Amino acid sequence: GAGVSQSPRYKVAKRGQDVALRCDPISGHVSLFWYQQALGQGPEFLTYFQNEAQLDKSGLPSDRFFAERPEGSVSTLKIQRTQQEDSAVYLCASSLRDRRIQETQYFGPGTRLLVL
Amino acid sequence: AQSVTQPDIHITVSEGASLELRCNYSYGATPYLFWYVQSPGQGLQLLLKYFSGDTLVQGIKGFEAEFKRSQSSFNLRKPSVHWSDAAEYFCAVGAPDSNYQLIWGAGTKLIIKP
Repeated sequence: GAGVSQSPRYKVAKRGQDVALRCDPISGHVSLFWYQQALGQGPEFLTYFQNEAQLDKSGLPSDRFFAERPEGSVSTLKIQRTQQEDSAVYLCASSLRDRRIQETQYFGPGTRLLVL
Repeated sequence: AQSVTQPDIHITVSEGASLELRCNYSYGATPYLFWYVQSPGQGLQLLLKYFSGDTLVQGIKGFEAEFKRSQSSFNLRKPSVHWSDAAEYFCAVGAPDSNYQLIWGAGTKLIIKP
């Protein structure tokens, strides 16, 4: 079956622009995660959804970052007034059930964002 | 603070040679431990995980890892690497104050010499 997909795969934005990154999780997966991966680093947690509810947004670096999953499937990560430090790969992952660590997370290929 | 260290940024091995990627963690109790692989243009894929029990864990693609509590290590091994194993490998630890957040190492890039 289809895995997690993300679009666009690459995004170049001018500083100050708003961007929207899309994640299509595996169909039927309850949990959805967003991560930020800086160059040469491992992923860092941004936010977590269980169905349409955003249960944890503790990793969002500023109020310029906003995520939603209105119907419990597709999710969008929006970054307003982008800054150069936002340049990173944004990863989406989904898991079948709850967010317990025992549940395997399936990752998308990521969106590489470059802010000039 | 809890942390994960992958001491090697890059490792180069010849095709057919054995491989060991190092992972050390800092955590007070027995953590949940994971190895993921990230191939170019692909998402992170789970290779194997350790929660409890037998300290030698078998994973996909012929990989295995051994949990050594005394050394706070969870090293990844493969007896004979293939060119298709060239990728970046990440070790991750289950965060102690959260039952779902992972703490990730910085990754080790594996380069295969023909």
